[in-house]
Amino acid sequence: QKEVEQNSGPLSVPEGAIASLNCTYSDRGSQSFFWYRQYSGKSPELIMSIYSNGDKEDGRFTAQLNKASQYVSLLIRDSQPSDSATYLCAVNKSGGSNYKLTFGKGTLLTVNP
Amino acid sequence: ETGVTQTPRHLVMGMTNKKSLKCEQHLGHNAMYWYKQSAKKPLELMFVYNFKEQTENNSVPSRFSPECPNSSHLFLHLHTLQPEDSALYLCASSQRGSSGGLETQYFGPGTRLLVL
Repeated sequence: QKEVEQNSGPLSVPEGAIASLNCTYSDRGSQSFFWYRQYSGKSPELIMSIYSNGDKEDGRFTAQLNKASQYVSLLIRDSQPSDSATYLCAVNKSGGSNYKLTFGKGTLLTVNP
Repeated sequence: ETGVTQTPRHLVMGMTNKKSLKCEQHLGHNAMYWYKQSAKKPLELMFVYNFKEQTENNSVPSRFSPECPNSSHLFLHLHTLQPEDSALYLCASSQRGSSGGLETQYFGPGTRLLVL
């Protein structure tokens, strides 16, 4: 089983729709979860971070975490063409002094005008 | 300069060359990282430095040699690389000991490396 799994896509949604990106992870000891956006040819940039079960909202973005199901998702409301990018899910495997991020392969999102 | 910077942005080298990648962070962080991003693969952590001390070497071949002279600068020395080492090399930094356990890593723009 891969440590962090994402559907590679591409996920295609029309402008204005809700885009739903999903991620599952294998290590139950994982404590912190991150969504990064990466435009083609660019470096990843942080979109959202979450470490408590439930929802966390920031503007058009909502991160959802369910530790019992080992599942984290990112919802993008009112999707815009500028949201078209690869979205990377990253998981911090343990606390203490070992802050090691494990990334999924990413989901390519295309928002069609 | 702000954030995390990397030089050069693009590098083409032969298998017998020696080159170095440079990373500098202007965020006052105390931890720095090297990642490799190849096509169709997840970001792979290579090295971690915490307060200038290497705390992680993720089974990286010895042809990659990191150096961290201080908490703001990180180098990756390259020697006798292989064509399969061609990738985007990303540097990141974070602040260890951040409250709440949400230690966020900030990435530089990367160096696109091509080994011929």
